[in-house]
Amino acid sequence: QVQLVESGGGVVQPGRSLRLSCAASKFTFRTYAMHWVRQAPGKGLEWLAFISWDAIHKSTADSVKGRFTVSRDNSRNTLSLQMDSLRTEDTAVYYCARDFSEKYTIDYWGQGTLVTVSS
Amino acid sequence: QSALTQPRSVSGSPGQSVAISCTGTSSDVGFYNYVSWYQHHPGKAPKLMIYDVTKRPSGVPDRFSGSKSGSTASLTISGLQAEDEADYYCYSYAGSNTWVFGGGTELTVL
Repeated sequence: QVQLVESGGGVVQPGRSLRLSCAASKFTFRTYAMHWVRQAPGKGLEWLAFISWDAIHKSTADSVKGRFTVSRDNSRNTLSLQMDSLRTEDTAVYYCARDFSEKYTIDYWGQGTLVTVSS
Repeated sequence: QSALTQPRSVSGSPGQSVAISCTGTSSDVGFYNYVSWYQHHPGKAPKLMIYDVTKRPSGVPDRFSGSKSGSTASLTISGLQAEDEADYYCYSYAGSNTWVFGGGTELTVL
């Protein structure tokens, strides 16, 4: 069964940076595009970022554009999200998710990691 | 990238049917047949229930069905069961490798 395990969450002050990682296993990571999605407390899901299997194509939501950067290391089966200039409204559970190839959707999700931005 | 519009909550009794709507625009739901639906129990990973507007992944009961008309997609759950109580989100491709979720609908089984 596909496994996605996020790490790197925690408490961080506004304006600081944090890097999230997602360890992928039990599937051929290097052949799949990936996504990051978040859910703020009491709010709905929000799509954040996409990266193609070869990292050539990347996209981010307007709400985090210029502050968040998605990357991947196919040799280590790892997806990353570099979050800079964090704001209190970035407080959320962050999920990594696998792209459902050619279906323009997500088929598997991790359990999420909590990021709290607070002074 | 505005969120798709869903009702905040719906409810139904066991055995009944409920429908959850998801309204977007001509740039997302209305343009692409790439609408998905997720079931989300708090504290767990979301689960894909419907993709490509109407298709069910293996293992998803046929009580769950999807449809679309214009810029509005719908998820229908028939024969409601207690375990269906959860939050449901629609999700649409919006072009240029971007996606948008609905605001989410809380389903209560009475």
